[in-house]
Amino acid sequence: DTEVTQTPKHLVMGMTNKKSLKCEQHMGHRAMYWYKQKAKKPPELMFVYSYEKLSINESVPSRFSPECPNSSLLNLHLHALQPEDSALYLCASSQEPQSSGNTIYFGEGSWLTVV
Amino acid sequence: AQSVTQPDIHITVSEGASLELRCNYSYGATPYLFWYVQSPGQGLQLLLKYFSGDTLVQGIKGFEAEFKRSQSSFNLRKPSVHWSDAAEYFCAVGSDYGSGNTGKLIFGQGTTLQVKP
Repeated sequence: DTEVTQTPKHLVMGMTNKKSLKCEQHMGHRAMYWYKQKAKKPPELMFVYSYEKLSINESVPSRFSPECPNSSLLNLHLHALQPEDSALYLCASSQEPQSSGNTIYFGEGSWLTVV
Repeated sequence: AQSVTQPDIHITVSEGASLELRCNYSYGATPYLFWYVQSPGQGLQLLLKYFSGDTLVQGIKGFEAEFKRSQSSFNLRKPSVHWSDAAEYFCAVGSDYGSGNTGKLIFGQGTTLQVKP
């Protein structure tokens, strides 16, 4: 079972709202990721969690705040977003953080629209 | 620095025809290579991967890819395309990140496959 589950599938939020995206995996993976994807573009890495600790932040603005409550869950808290933040947000996981050869499994994504 | 190039932005093939999507990579060591497919409005699904060993890799949905070190290529092929194969295809290489490996993926820009009836 290689499944990464993301909720909600669609989210519309105003620029003053606070919302969260949620991600869950039950594959025992120890690395979890947030990617952002704009239309017709490849995914761009935002954050990497390794053994529930933030290991990589790709210079993401502070209006995006990740959280890893436990090894199965990953959240992305959103606050004071801009319309240009509208995109597909993909969660992903892999078995071991410290390997270039990891297979990274993606969820279906959360479509975010900022109005 | 690692990079991935997919030379074809858009490809159109007839249903039942064969398909080859090109991917070239730049990587200093043995690369870990992946092909992902993304249907409209969906996440990325892993088609196949190459880590080592046999250079011809079989994947899901009848896809295969061949790793050619001399050409720095990892082209994706399918002998007979189905209408449901219409999607965006991404080639990616697993990268080293600074002093530690993270499994970070470096993606190509993607190739949009259109299938004509």
